[in-house]
Amino acid sequence: EPEVTQTPSHQVTQMGQEVILRCVPISNHLYFYWYRQILGQKVEFLVSFYNNEISEKSEIFDDQFSVERPDGSNFTLKIRSTKLEDSAMYFCASNRDNSYEQYFGPGTRLTVT
Amino acid sequence: AQSVTQLGSHVSVSEGALVLLRCNYSSSVPPYLFWYVQYPNQGLQLLLKYTSAATLVKGINGFEAEFKKSETSFHLTKPSAHMSDAAEYFCAVSPGGADGLTFGKGTHLIIQP
Repeated sequence: EPEVTQTPSHQVTQMGQEVILRCVPISNHLYFYWYRQILGQKVEFLVSFYNNEISEKSEIFDDQFSVERPDGSNFTLKIRSTKLEDSAMYFCASNRDNSYEQYFGPGTRLTVT
Repeated sequence: AQSVTQLGSHVSVSEGALVLLRCNYSSSVPPYLFWYVQYPNQGLQLLLKYTSAATLVKGINGFEAEFKKSETSFHLTKPSAHMSDAAEYFCAVSPGGADGLTFGKGTHLIIQP
C-alpha cells in the first residue's frame, strides 16, 4: 500500500539555523500539507499546497517558513532561522483530487537547542 | 471558522468493555469529520471519515462513529476494547477539499487488563 514518507525521522539543530524537512507524498496525490504537533499538544495545520502554490496557510506559517515542491516527488518545509519554540513533530500529509481524507507520514521530530 | 472539542483528555476502560470517545464540533459550513489514531512514536492513521453520506460510519479495527447534526457531535465507539486499542485518538473537522484539518486536543485511551 502506498504511503507518505518523511526524512529525517529526527533532526536536532541549533537555534538560528535553517532546517529543511522532506516529504515524499503518495505518487498520484495532488494536494500536500504540513502540520506540527508540539509535545503534549494537538496537531496544528500549517500550510496546504496545490498546483505549485500555497492554497491556505495558518497564522503559525509566518515568514520564517516556506514550502517547495522541487521536483515531481518531494515536498519540503524550510524553517529559515529556527527558534526553541519550533521544536515539535512535523507531519506531512497528502490527498487525491476531490478526496477528503488526508494520508499522514510518520513525522519528523525537530529538536531546536 | 471551525473548532473541535474532545471531552476527556484520558479515558480508561477495561478490556472487553465499550469504548466511547466524545467529539463535538463547530463549523460554519457542512463539515467533513474524521477520526485519526496515533500509536506511540508513529504518525496519524485514519480510522474513519464522514463526508455527508451515511450518518453512521464504520471504520477500521471495529470502530464506528455517528454524525448527529442536532448535537454537533461525532462520537467514536467500539463495542469491545482490545489491549491493542491503547493509543491517542484525534477528532478532526474540515470544510472539505484541500483545506487543512482542524484537530481536537486528543484523547488518550487506556485499556485496563
